[in-house]
Amino acid sequence: GEDVEQSLFLSVREGDSSVINCTYTDSSSTYLYWYKQEPGAGLQLLTYIFSNMDMKQDQRLTVLLNKKDKHLSLRIADTQTGDSAIYFCAGDTGRRALTFGSGTRLQVQP
Amino acid sequence: DAGVIQSPRHEVTEMGQEVTLRCKPISGHDYLFWYRQTMMRGLELLIYFNNNVPIDDSGMPEDRFSAKMPNASFSTLKIQPSEPRDSAVYFCASSSGRDNEKLFFGSGTQLSVL
Repeated sequence: GEDVEQSLFLSVREGDSSVINCTYTDSSSTYLYWYKQEPGAGLQLLTYIFSNMDMKQDQRLTVLLNKKDKHLSLRIADTQTGDSAIYFCAGDTGRRALTFGSGTRLQVQP
Repeated sequence: DAGVIQSPRHEVTEMGQEVTLRCKPISGHDYLFWYRQTMMRGLELLIYFNNNVPIDDSGMPEDRFSAKMPNASFSTLKIQPSEPRDSAVYFCASSSGRDNEKLFFGSGTQLSVL
């Protein structure tokens, strides 16, 4: 099955850019996703990219997809303390249910 | 819409007891998913339904776990008997078949089995 890997932790200063990385093994996903989980809450869809795209920009968020290397990244510009959360990448591997990575905890220092 | 509603938010029970978790999906969504989140294993898909019919239950750990969806607005996940290793956060999520890229999660049920 799909294997989705992420680094566990990232710390940045407020105002800096954050880059969260994800690698996956199965290239059959139609869409790849980024979700955000705040403490005590469920996951919230942040953004997604269609598998035939290389880049998608959505306000402060930029998603880059390198299909050859099976690498997905999420860049958050001008990171704010409110961006502190756990970020999950996920793929649909051609089916309705998503396979999630282990999550990257982003800590934003004031 | 109020979003996906799960109850209870927290459940503490003793080993061997039956536990029932409940979920109300977003009205009009025809897919419903149950996920489990632990520190060790991350987010695992347990089962999902389409139009109230179970489609894939290969993630259900063992026979102690069962899930039902008697109608489009309600689903349950039952653990009987519960064990300490079942302690986790259980999430319900729903989506529309027409708009599959948007999966909406509930706030989860934090289950502690003592």
